[in-house]
Amino acid sequence: QVQVVQSGAEVKKPGASVKVSCKASGYTFVNYYIHWVRQAPGQGLEWMGVINPSAGSTTYAQKFQGRVAMTRDTSTSTVYMELSSLRSEDTAIYYCARVNYDKSGYPLLGYWGQGTLVSVSS
Amino acid sequence: SYDVIQPLSVSVAPGQTARITCGRNNTGTKNVHWHQQRPGQAPVLVIYRDTNRPSGIPERFSGSNSGNTATLTISRAQAGDEADYYCQVWDSNTVVVFGGGTKLTVL
Repeated sequence: QVQVVQSGAEVKKPGASVKVSCKASGYTFVNYYIHWVRQAPGQGLEWMGVINPSAGSTTYAQKFQGRVAMTRDTSTSTVYMELSSLRSEDTAIYYCARVNYDKSGYPLLGYWGQGTLVSVSS
Repeated sequence: SYDVIQPLSVSVAPGQTARITCGRNNTGTKNVHWHQQRPGQAPVLVIYRDTNRPSGIPERFSGSNSGNTATLTISRAQAGDEADYYCQVWDSNTVVVFGGGTKLTVL
């Protein structure tokens, strides 16, 4: 069955970087885009960007341009989201979400990872 | 940019019908999707392309979309339906836009 499993919680200091992983299984890794979404404590869902695991191409939300990098390793079916220059406002749960398609080929955010808590504190 | 607006909260009595709206600031047709997020859990897709239920989602969940407003309807509400609900659209083939979320309380 399709699974996307994320790495464990991280604690970082302001100014540092964090790299969260999302390991896929149960399907052909390169065939489905993966998005990253974050959720600050008590807040809503915020889209960060997307990676095409086949080509490695990415699209980032303007808010995170220059500070986020999404990469993939096809040998391990894993995508990574690295966020740099961390500040306290980056404290959040970070989710990966795999796209699936309905019978018309329309994209859906159908499979969510379990989330990774990143805490930024001095 | 494309914005989607949801009420902050909706309350419903057990067994009654809850309706959560999602308004959009742009004209033009957009399919709307709904994600349910129970406390402490990851989101789950409950309605896609306005009216469709993924397998495993109860028939009590339904959706509609007319004009600039989409609606998620939960019939015969149960305590287990208490959650945050997010509407979502695609602003392009790859850019995702979420509404701010609606907290559903069943009381």
